[in-house]
Amino acid sequence: QQPVQSPQAVILREGEDAVINCSSSKALYSVHWYRQKHGEAPVFLMILLKGGEQKGHEKISASFNEKKQQSSLYLTASQLSYSGTYFCGTHHTSGTYKYIFGTGTRLKVLA
Amino acid sequence: NAGVTQTPKFRVLKTGQSMTLLCAQDMNHEYMYWYRQDPGMGLRLIHYSVGEGTTAKGEVPDGYNVSRLKKQNFLLGLESAAPSQTSVYFCASREQGQNTGELFFGEGSRLTVL
Repeated sequence: QQPVQSPQAVILREGEDAVINCSSSKALYSVHWYRQKHGEAPVFLMILLKGGEQKGHEKISASFNEKKQQSSLYLTASQLSYSGTYFCGTHHTSGTYKYIFGTGTRLKVLA
Repeated sequence: NAGVTQTPKFRVLKTGQSMTLLCAQDMNHEYMYWYRQDPGMGLRLIHYSVGEGTTAKGEVPDGYNVSRLKKQNFLLGLESAAPSQTSVYFCASREQGQNTGELFFGEGSRLTVL
């Protein structure tokens, strides 16, 4: 079952911040975050391998709460280039190679 | 520097016709995946493979078949296309290992079934 992302969509002005959440009904073994521009393939942003881990990429960072089976993506001082659809991706357990994506969050940054 | 290549990129089929989508990767990756993405929707896993000669069902496998006869190629077949299979199909690959790395995607194949 797909992890559920919230919000489904968000509109920001340049410079504003946003948080995107990814929640799973099953244990998350690792969490990856991707961004997809319209008409293009998803592009990898970052991976979080264990609970409590936080990472950053430019002004985009993420956290992984293993116990709550959640991950959050933080976009700080958003830029026009941040527009797109964000997906979390995951394996549910260490014994499976199945890789599934969350439901997605559409982000639009306005000038 | 090809990475993951999908062919064809566009195809229009009539209901009941068959076709095969080809995914080729030159990164020597063990794992390969086929996803479909419908307008405004996320990526749903159709089938995947963890090595040459192996395949497994994903979340939405009905109506599709796959084969991995060579490590670098992963084929997705539609035996009898239906309008519900109109979608953009993405192939992806990644290295062996539970928690390593990212998926590398092809550019997508846009399929329309009339």
